[in-house]
Amino acid sequence: EAQVTQNPRYLITVTGKKLTVTCSQNMNHEYMSWYRQDPGLGLRQIYYSMNVEVTDKGDVPEGYKVSRKEKRNFPLILESPSPNQTSLYFCASSFGSNTEAFFGQGTRLTVV
Amino acid sequence: GEDVEQSLFLSVREGDSSVINCTYTDSSSTYLYWYKQEPGAGLQLLTYIFSNMDMKQDQRLTVLLNKKDKHLSLRIADTQTGDSAIYFCAERPNSGNTPLVFGKGTRLSVIT
Repeated sequence: EAQVTQNPRYLITVTGKKLTVTCSQNMNHEYMSWYRQDPGLGLRQIYYSMNVEVTDKGDVPEGYKVSRKEKRNFPLILESPSPNQTSLYFCASSFGSNTEAFFGQGTRLTVV
Repeated sequence: GEDVEQSLFLSVREGDSSVINCTYTDSSSTYLYWYKQEPGAGLQLLTYIFSNMDMKQDQRLTVLLNKKDKHLSLRIADTQTGDSAIYFCAERPNSGNTPLVFGKGTRLSVIT
C-alpha cells in the first residue's frame, strides 16, 4: 500500500531535549516536505527536499533541521525544542514539487 | 507571492448542500486541489480540477472554477455527518519548482 509513515504519532517532551520525528515513503517520490499546522494559520512549510542530499528552507525553518540521506526517509530534527514548537506536524511526499502531495497521519508534538 | 484564501468555518444541516469557497492569486496556476482532513488524520486528496476546465463533477462533489475571478468552489450535495472535516484548497503554481500553496482550511460542521 502506497503511504507516508510518520513516527511517533504523539510526543510530549521538555524544553531543550533533542528529538527526531521520522518520515518514510514507499512511492519512490523525489520530493518530500514537512509542514506544521496551527489553529488559524493553516499549513506552513518548514523544510523541503527535492532529492537525496538536496534540502531547502520553507516558510518557517527556524528551530528545525532535516536530512535526506536516502530517498525514502526525511527526518525532522528539533535540536533544542521550545514551547512555540508545540504543533501538529505533517510529512508529505510527491513525484515533483508541484504535483499531488501524499500526507502522513501527523505527529502531535507538545513541548513543555 | 501566491496566496490562497478561504473562510475558516461553515455549518450546514445534514442533507443540505455545502459550498466551500476559495480564492487564489496566481492566474497561471495549472491545477487546483481540494484536500480533506478528518479529525486526527492527515490530508487526503479529495478532488482536483485542471485550469482549462470550468466544472468537474464526481458523485456528490462538484468543483466550479471561475478563472476570471480566480475563484474555486467545492459543492458537497446531500451533506452527511461523515463530511465533517477541514477542507483545504491548494493551487499548483506554474512557476518552476514552487511547491503547492495551501489555504488555511475551512472547518465544515454538519448539524443533525
